[in-house]
Amino acid sequence: EAGVAQSPRYKIIEKRQSVAFWCNPISGHATLYWYQQILGQGPKLLIQFQNNGVVDDSQLPKDRFSAERLKGVDSTLKIQPAKLEDSAVYLCASSLGRIGSSDTQYFGPGTRLTVL
Amino acid sequence: AQSVTQLDSQVPVFEEAPVELRCNYSSSVSVYLFWYVQYPNQGLQLLLKYLSGSTLVKGINGFEAEFNKSQTSFHLRKPSVHISDTAEYFCAVSDMNTGFQKLVFGTGTRLLVSP
Repeated sequence: EAGVAQSPRYKIIEKRQSVAFWCNPISGHATLYWYQQILGQGPKLLIQFQNNGVVDDSQLPKDRFSAERLKGVDSTLKIQPAKLEDSAVYLCASSLGRIGSSDTQYFGPGTRLTVL
Repeated sequence: AQSVTQLDSQVPVFEEAPVELRCNYSSSVSVYLFWYVQYPNQGLQLLLKYLSGSTLVKGINGFEAEFNKSQTSFHLRKPSVHISDTAEYFCAVSDMNTGFQKLVFGTGTRLLVSP
């Protein structure tokens, strides 16, 4: 079974530029998560999708971050414009997403973003 | 809201020695508890999870953890570590009563195993 795929693996941009990350979850997984992991910290949830609807985006900086999950499969996370403090690893995870369950979240390898 | 505290940012240990990584949580509701491992330049991998029942949970790679409700702790242990166990370990909690699982992670503990 293929795991969660993410691209690119690394990205370096100047501040105020825009960037996009792509995630392909495990086939059949209804729930998709985007996390931000700043160096030395644990992952922080940015947004959670159930199929193609948003369940939780309370910690997403909506003035610069946006995310979509077209057709309830792949997802894209965008930052526009980027700030220095956005330098982090962006992790995508997916799970079966059965409501009321404790389904395991499976993580992709992440995209390491450096903002100069 | 839930929070997780991992007091040890780094734990050095010699190969074949036992190790314990500490995790304490705070929550006003019942929670599920998880330990994840992150190897360099990789995503997180689930080691084990506590949902209910026996407070001693066994996971992959010889790790186990014990849930202690009175002390709000979920410490991770391994009786004999290997060089390959060198990694970052994250404790996480999730509210048992919400419809959709939302993980809150601690800041992580780096386990350094030396020969």
